[in-house]
Amino acid sequence: SQTIHQWPATLVQPVGSPLSLECTVEGTSNPNLYWYRQAAGRGLQLLFYSVGIGQISSEVPQNLSASRPQDRQFILSSKKLLLSDSGFYLCAWKLDYGYTFGSGTRLTVV
Amino acid sequence: AQRVTQPEKLLSVFKGAPVELKCNYSYSGSPELFWYVQYSRQRLQLLLRHISRESIKGFTADLNKGETSFHLKKPFAQEEDSAMYYCALLYGGATNKLIFGTGTLLAVQP
Repeated sequence: SQTIHQWPATLVQPVGSPLSLECTVEGTSNPNLYWYRQAAGRGLQLLFYSVGIGQISSEVPQNLSASRPQDRQFILSSKKLLLSDSGFYLCAWKLDYGYTFGSGTRLTVV
Repeated sequence: AQRVTQPEKLLSVFKGAPVELKCNYSYSGSPELFWYVQYSRQRLQLLLRHISRESIKGFTADLNKGETSFHLKKPFAQEEDSAMYYCALLYGGATNKLIFGTGTLLAVQP
């Protein structure tokens, strides 16, 4: 079956600390994968997308980076978190009928 | 540039009343539009897409290219319809990127 996993569900990190959020998909090969951030009152903003291993495109300049070390793994990272990185992060996968989303990670930078 | 606009942050209706969630888009190509829904404490999920022309949970949406709109409608609201609704536009060709509106919170009162 086709499933998408995202973890952790919640994370509280101090300013300046590193970040690693992981997303994996099952039941497919060579998927298009995406990282979105959902901020209150601002909807969902596309941060990164990847059409294959090692292929990353950034949509907006920011303090974050993404990597795709394996076909079904997509990682969102930061070397030093800022307060403004707080938000709800969603991984998504493009299927034939539309996107399917992970359960999200609530990141609070303190 | 592509854009999706949802003018209402909050729509409050009584049970049994008709519902219309507005969505307007701006896109130079042929649009492919979606409605996503996020119920409390659940992940974002696809509600319907215009090319399938189907009705899900009593909701319908018609693409009006003349008015560049894709409003979501339901004749009789139910309490379980209370959720956050996002309109989205697919763009970017093979990269299949999705741009979202800012969302409308539908609150159905008993």
